Amino acid sequence: AQSVTQLDSQVPVFEEAPVELRCNYSSSVSVYLFWYVQYPNQGLQLLLKYLSGSTLVKGINGFEAEFNKSQTSFHLRKPSVHISDTAEYFCAVSDRGNAGNMLTFGGGTRLMVKP
Amino acid sequence: AAGVIQSPRHLIKEKRETATLKCYPIPRHDTVYWYQQGPGQDPQFLISFYEKMQSDKGSIPDRFSAQQFSDYHSELNMSSLELGDSALYFCASSHPPGQGVGQPSTDTQYFGPGTRLTVL
Repeated sequence: AQSVTQLDSQVPVFEEAPVELRCNYSSSVSVYLFWYVQYPNQGLQLLLKYLSGSTLVKGINGFEAEFNKSQTSFHLRKPSVHISDTAEYFCAVSDRGNAGNMLTFGGGTRLMVKP
Repeated sequence: AAGVIQSPRHLIKEKRETATLKCYPIPRHDTVYWYQQGPGQDPQFLISFYEKMQSDKGSIPDRFSAQQFSDYHSELNMSSLELGDSALYFCASSHPPGQGVGQPSTDTQYFGPGTRLTVL
């Protein structure tokens, strides 16, 4: 079984400032890692994913994340945020070896970008 | 590009009624997942199907059932609805990237817009 912890439930930040949304996971097996974004009253949109290879992955909208196996972390970063980045961000993991490949989500982090 | 389609987008039911939610995966995607997201909560996995067979089961109540049809669309049937069933229900689909025949997906899940179910 896996679990995902997003350490900050809310992150307020000013426009054009950098931001980091933290994600730690716990699993007894190797996992795939994902970040999804959810805008108000909308579905989940994939931002980026780590399946294998380079530990630094780049996604859409200028976001990137780094997989750190020793720290079991997958923190999301953006060097300069925009008002339009205001949304809920979910970190998720799935078991590499599980045929069903269900996603386990963290509790979400609400990014609030202020002008 | 085509996305996951869910219908209806909004549904209002009364307690003890039944509801059916439909999901149409992205073309050529053969794996479908259902998730429930309560107000202010993270999505919780309910059930998944691969090639029309149930492949994994999460915290799905016995009052709920689901299936995947020959055209790969899926339906989530919910009976004896309770107030606590009010939530956003997401469907996601995925496709195995170059996997062998008979192997369910290990790749990305693409989510639909969700069905908002309100039980009064």
